Amino acid sequence: EIVLTQSPGTLSLSPGERATLSCRASQSVSSSYLAWYQQKPGQAPRLLIYGASSRATGIPDRFSGSGSGTDFTLTISRLEPEDFAVYYCQQYGSSPSMYTFGQGTKLEIK
Amino acid sequence: QVQLQESGPGLVKPSQTLSLTCTVSGGSISSGSYYWSWIRQPAGKGLEWIGRIYTSGSTNYNPSLKSRVTISVDTSKNQFSLKLSSVTAADTAVYYCARGPVAAAAFDYWGQGTLVTVSS
Repeated sequence: EIVLTQSPGTLSLSPGERATLSCRASQSVSSSYLAWYQQKPGQAPRLLIYGASSRATGIPDRFSGSGSGTDFTLTISRLEPEDFAVYYCQQYGSSPSMYTFGQGTKLEIK
Repeated sequence: QVQLQESGPGLVKPSQTLSLTCTVSGGSISSGSYYWSWIRQPAGKGLEWIGRIYTSGSTNYNPSLKSRVTISVDTSKNQFSLKLSSVTAADTAVYYCARGPVAAAAFDYWGQGTLVTVSS
């Protein structure tokens, strides 16, 4: 089973700043199978990025994803007030066929 | 617009079976382009994938839960369901149903989630 480790656990930034969130896998992950989600309190997660770098429908272009192999990054270019939330990375592996999530990064207002 | 809605008891006794149903609207569950999954989240913790089903009835389960999980689909009602047996307090969580495009290996639509508490 592939384990995803996200860092930092908490990131404190101000609106307008750039956020860089990391997701490291315990073994190589296909870029096609790496996704990022945003979750706000009391809400279901929202898909932001799939295939490591493709934005989901309706996601602003200030969100971007990159990376390959075992190291992936979610970047928010200029933080808006509504971006402060918890972010999860997720991967799909075929042996066994299963999905796993990282433990999350909380992005909080500084 | 696709919508998913979980339903089922909010309280289950220890050792009993948790049963939830997800009703899909705005799209057909019979579409061959999607998997249909269950995911859970204990309070204040991260997300755990439970399992998925394809329209054909083919399933995959999280190995850590496989012995206790059954996911089924009812295409006539546009629903899929989760059964988790022999529950304990550790199974207390918000349970989400979600749609996953076959080509994307991600979850693009989610239900709002339903809290299930295991307690006597």
